[in-house]
Amino acid sequence: AQSVTQLGSHVSVSEGALVLLRCNYSSSVPPYLFWYVQYPNQGLQLLLKYTTGATLVKGINGFEAEFKKSETSFHLTKPSAHMSDAAEYFCAVYGNKLVFGAGTILRVKS
Amino acid sequence: DSGVTQTPKHLITATGQRVTLRCSPRSGDLSVYWYQQSLDQGLQFLIQYYNGEERAKGNILERFSAQQFPDLHSELNLSSLELGDSALYFCASSAPSYRVRYGYTFGSGTRLTVV
Repeated sequence: AQSVTQLGSHVSVSEGALVLLRCNYSSSVPPYLFWYVQYPNQGLQLLLKYTTGATLVKGINGFEAEFKKSETSFHLTKPSAHMSDAAEYFCAVYGNKLVFGAGTILRVKS
Repeated sequence: DSGVTQTPKHLITATGQRVTLRCSPRSGDLSVYWYQQSLDQGLQFLIQYYNGEERAKGNILERFSAQQFPDLHSELNLSSLELGDSALYFCASSAPSYRVRYGYTFGSGTRLTVV
């Protein structure tokens, strides 16, 4: 069985500051890990994914995430926040189905 | 445009009624997934179909049913609707691989309001 825990239902950062959204997973099989973003009144858009290979993965809009097996983590980062990054972010793990975390709402202050 | 089409975008109906939500997957995708997103439950997996056959079931109520047709579009039927069924219903599709390496592609959702 798989599960995902996202630490912090709300994160607030200033424009230009580092964005760090935390995700820890549990999986009985080697996991595939994903981050999705949801803008208001829209569907989920894939930001990035880890399947195999390089543990640091880069996604769209300047986001990246690092798979750390020893810590069972897949935290999402962006060096410099932009106002347009304000959205809800979901971490997900795929073992035999895609299971989502509860989501983290990112607020970017000007 | 993700390539996954959901209709209608909005639906308002009364308690006790029945509605049908429709999903057309991305071209070439054989799997269709239905998710419910509500404020209190988050994103909950309901059901998966693969090439017309039910493949996996999640937290789907007995009042809800789904099917996938030969042209691969899918319909989610919700009956005896209750106020608590008000939510965003997402459809997603994925490529036909043994394990999904590329994630799912989501539609823009159907917002159901039960009054």
